[in-house]
Amino acid sequence: GENVEQHPSTLSVQEGDSAVIKCTYSDSASNYFPWYKQELGKRPQLIIDIRSNVGEKKDQRIAVTLNKTAKHFSLHITETQPEDSAVYFCAASKSGGGNKLTFGTGTQLKVEL
Amino acid sequence: DTGVSQDPRHKITKRGQNVTFRCDPISEHNRLYWYRQTLGQGPEFLTYFQNEAQLEKSRLLSDRFSAERPKGSFSTLEIQRTEQGDSAMYLCASSRSVNEQFFGPGTRLTVL
Repeated sequence: GENVEQHPSTLSVQEGDSAVIKCTYSDSASNYFPWYKQELGKRPQLIIDIRSNVGEKKDQRIAVTLNKTAKHFSLHITETQPEDSAVYFCAASKSGGGNKLTFGTGTQLKVEL
Repeated sequence: DTGVSQDPRHKITKRGQNVTFRCDPISEHNRLYWYRQTLGQGPEFLTYFQNEAQLEKSRLLSDRFSAERPKGSFSTLEIQRTEQGDSAMYLCASSRSVNEQFFGPGTRLTVL
């Protein structure tokens, strides 16, 4: 089955700096890669996603890049703010597998003032 | 609130008891997923439904677990003879076909 690895497990940045979280996946048939933000005690919230026919997608301060050849994808957050502090999960799925999500182990992002 | 809802939000039970959780997906979403999340880990897939049909079950879902979606709307997840290892957050998500999955707030289960 699919295996998703995520790095780093913790990330501390100063407010205004950029943050980058990286994930790799094992199943070359995976074609959908969402990112979720989860605040303590709350539900995972979808913040951005990318499909395999696209190399990059941007939404305001958040961007995701995908390298299908290397089977890795990354989340980039620019101009970080304290409210960006949370756990971020990457995930992968494929159409033929019912779109069930395989998640990475999460990155605890802390944005310091 | 038109998002995914789950009930109860918290459940404390004694080992050996049966528990049942409910998930109400976003209306018109035909796919419904159950995941389990333990502390410090990402959600792990348990099972999913397309309409009322249960199409896949994870190996994590032992014989003590059963899920239903009788009319293709809400779903229930039952755990029989609970064990301490079942303690986790049980998350439900729904989607419209192959689109984005939206998660509910989860049911936190504690087995004493």
